[in-house]
Amino acid sequence: AQSVTQPDARVTVSEGASLQLRCKYSSSGTPYLFWYVQYPRQGLQLLLKYYSGDPVVQGVNGFEAEFSKSNSSFHLRKASVHWSDSAVYFCVLSGGQVVGQLTFGRGTRLQVYA
Amino acid sequence: DMKVTQMPRYLIKRMGENVLLECGQDMSHETMYWYRQDPGLGLQLIYISYDVDSNSEGDIPKGYRVSRKKREHFSLILDSAKTNQTSVYFCASGTGAETLYFGSGTRLTVL
Repeated sequence: AQSVTQPDARVTVSEGASLQLRCKYSSSGTPYLFWYVQYPRQGLQLLLKYYSGDPVVQGVNGFEAEFSKSNSSFHLRKASVHWSDSAVYFCVLSGGQVVGQLTFGRGTRLQVYA
Repeated sequence: DMKVTQMPRYLIKRMGENVLLECGQDMSHETMYWYRQDPGLGLQLIYISYDVDSNSEGDIPKGYRVSRKKREHFSLILDSAKTNQTSVYFCASGTGAETLYFGSGTRLTVL
C-alpha cells in the first residue's frame, strides 16, 4: 500500500534561517512526488513535483526538494525562509487504491518568526 | 483563468439535514476530486470523477454521494448529515494524477 509520512507535525524557524521539511514515502511502483502548500484559509497550491531525472527539483519561491530512492525520501528545502512562508506543507505521492488518486501526508505546519 | 470555485465557503447545518456542496472549474479538466481535511489527518479522498457520470469511491465514501452532469461541475451531497461530517471539504481538478488545482474549501459544521 502507498503511504507518505511527514514525521514533523510542526516546525518553527527564525526568518532568514534555512529549512528542511522531511518526507518519507512507500510506493510499489515508480513514485511521482509533489509538495503542496496551504496558506491560512486557502486551498492547496503546488510547490514542485518530481517525476524522473535530476533528483533535485526546483519549485516556486526558492523551494527545492531532493528525491532519494535509496532512502525513500523527498525532503523539501529552502535556503532562507521569510515570514510569509508560514503555512502547512504537504508531501504527496501519486497513486493509491483508486486510479488517479493522490496520497497525502498529514502535513507539517511551518511557523517562521521574526 | 485556471480557477476552481467552491460554494459556499461556510455552512452550518443541523444533524439530519441534507447538504449540497458545489464545485466548478474553468479548465475543462476531466478529473475532479472531493477531499475532506481534518486536523492532523491530511486530506482524505471521498470521491473521484473521471468525467461526466464516471465516478469512483475514494477512501471514505460512506455517507456521501456525488453528481457530475457537466464536465465543469462536480457536486458533493450529504444525505442526512451527521456531526462527524463536520470538516473542511476541498474540491480539486486536474488532468489525471498531474498537478491538481484546489478550491478554497467549504467549512461545514453539523450541529
